[in-house]
Amino acid sequence: LAKTTQPISMDSYEGQEVNITCSHNNIATNDYITWYQQFPSQGPRFIIQGYKTKVTNEVASLFIPADRKSSTLSLPRVSLSDTAVYYCLVGVSNTGKLIFGQGTTLQVKP
Amino acid sequence: GAVVSQHPSWVICKSGTSVKIECRSLDFQATTMFWYRQFPKQSLMLMATSNEGSKATYEQGVEKDKFLINHASLTLSTLTVTSAHPEDSSFYICSGGEALNQPQHFGDGTRLSIL
Repeated sequence: LAKTTQPISMDSYEGQEVNITCSHNNIATNDYITWYQQFPSQGPRFIIQGYKTKVTNEVASLFIPADRKSSTLSLPRVSLSDTAVYYCLVGVSNTGKLIFGQGTTLQVKP
Repeated sequence: GAVVSQHPSWVICKSGTSVKIECRSLDFQATTMFWYRQFPKQSLMLMATSNEGSKATYEQGVEKDKFLINHASLTLSTLTVTSAHPEDSSFYICSGGEALNQPQHFGDGTRLSIL
């Protein structure tokens, strides 16, 4: 399984766009990239998933370059409630197995 | 969207007790579910893969006799912590998805405290 590396922590202010970049140099051809959000004492919540190029949903965008060795989660106009830990994961399509890295703790300030 | 329900959300029990945690997929069928453990201020650690109708597969270092997993139906997987001790106190989380290449949906976790 591909190992992921992302910043341990980030700070932002309300209303700003936040971009969290994750590197996954050993991603395999069939692997996909997925991001989760976790609040204290809760299970992770799915944010977005992609394989290549750009994916956008109602809460975030995911940018994946052609070599797929990294990905960037973009959160538009964050609010205080977006303060959480964000995990970048590489999933193997034939096992569904996800290995969590250390995650990025995002602190949104007023 | 797909929902995974986990029960109980919180349990406190005496050392030596066995504790069962249930994980249900409410609106989809899951032939495979996953169990994780999370210690305070740490990331989730994958414990095992639960396979419907067959034996679970455990990650290296996880005691299969300690953490019994049963996946008897397409909507229910259970984790039993046998003869629990204080070091087993942790946050246990399950996940399931509609297919292996689809997003995993996580339960809200079970806080286990062993006295």
